[in-house]
Amino acid sequence: DSGVTQTPKHLITATGQRVTLRCSPRSGDLSVYWYQQSLDQGLQFLIQYYNGEERAKGNILERFSAQQFPDLHSELNLSSLELGDSALYFCASSQPTLSSGGRDTQYFGPGTRLTVL
Amino acid sequence: EDQVTQSPEALRLQEGESSSLNCSYTVSGLRGLFWYRQDPGKGPEFLFTLYSAGEEKEKERLKATLTKKESFLHITAPKPEDSATYLCAVQARSWGKLQFGAGTQVVVTP
Repeated sequence: DSGVTQTPKHLITATGQRVTLRCSPRSGDLSVYWYQQSLDQGLQFLIQYYNGEERAKGNILERFSAQQFPDLHSELNLSSLELGDSALYFCASSQPTLSSGGRDTQYFGPGTRLTVL
Repeated sequence: EDQVTQSPEALRLQEGESSSLNCSYTVSGLRGLFWYRQDPGKGPEFLFTLYSAGEEKEKERLKATLTKKESFLHITAPKPEDSATYLCAVQARSWGKLQFGAGTQVVVTP
């Protein structure tokens, strides 16, 4: 158990709908990352938050958005869903330190499996 | 652009048959190289972080090494419970993001 929790575990929805995925980081971790894993693309970085602020963006679609709340949990919102959005969505957290130059280890949650029908 | 290539794509081993997985990378300034293990439908499980060429880390039957262009994950005398997909990822100068390889699927048969 990595200490990162994600809900729900499974989500089945229809095209055009909107869903929210939730992530609670490990206790004390300030950074939260979202990744998408599909069969043909592997693990792809979507977005990172650090202590409530957006830090970095990957190839995240405009239909997707995220935020990190004051209690450090994060939510990934996916809207106007398409069949191709079906994938596993993982959240990871870390506690980068200034003394390590930002080098840190990311611990992953169990993921949310999204199926768009 | 940063690239991570893992080989082989798949590996089938007999129990006790040692082998190595390769992760070659091109990145503009390596902050760290990470190895994860992933079981089907589960989240990646952290194994090792390597920061500089020449570094080695060991855990049970696994040993990870790093050079300036590649990393190896050596599996010594594997057991069936070592069956999993092993993922390699690099962290470059851009803050925090991990760039993953496609993984090596390892199956260990009794």
